[in-house]
Amino acid sequence: KAGVTQTPRYLIKTRGQQVTLSCSPISGHRSVSWYQQTPGQGLQFLFEYFSETQRNKGNFPGRFSGRQFSNSRSEMNVSTLELGDSALYLCASSLETGRTDTQYFGPGTRLTVL
Amino acid sequence: AQSVTQLGSHVSVSEGALVLLRCNYSSSVPPYLFWYVQYPNQGLQLLLKYTTGATLVKGINGFEAEFKKSETSFHLTKPSAHMSDAAEYFCAVSERSGTYKYIFGTGTRLKVLA
Repeated sequence: KAGVTQTPRYLIKTRGQQVTLSCSPISGHRSVSWYQQTPGQGLQFLFEYFSETQRNKGNFPGRFSGRQFSNSRSEMNVSTLELGDSALYLCASSLETGRTDTQYFGPGTRLTVL
Repeated sequence: AQSVTQLGSHVSVSEGALVLLRCNYSSSVPPYLFWYVQYPNQGLQLLLKYTTGATLVKGINGFEAEFKKSETSFHLTKPSAHMSDAAEYFCAVSERSGTYKYIFGTGTRLKVLA
């Protein structure tokens, strides 16, 4: 079974621009979560989607948004980019949203904001 | 709210020596705990998880962890370190906030010396 895929793997943007990142979950998985990883803050939860609905949201400004499609693929969007948005963005998928459900991570998209 | 503390942001061991990575959690309910490993420029890979039942959990690549409720700990061990174990290791707890989400520790970077 193919793993979680994320595109693009690397991205360079300038301040003020917007960016869209894509995540394709493992086949059959209905839950997709997004995390931001930075050296200073570590792994921080952005949001989770399940059956096209946002089920949970972390403490990030409204510039960060996402959506999930009927095939469970997900996108996240960051508008009006700031230097501090430079990070590795990780997507994880799981079968359901239960407490014991294992999250499987993709390789991430490394975003650099200049 | 639940939280995870990983003691030691950097740990160095000699090849063949015991690996011990520490994780303590805070939870008002029985915790579900996870250990992930991240190799350079890659996503996170699940090593092992504890949900219920046996408190000694065996994972991949020879790693194991023991859940100790009295000590609120879930330390990761491996009897004999290999050069390929050099990576960053993350402990996580599953927290219910709406649906379930992972709370990650700040990570421990393991260095294996020849």
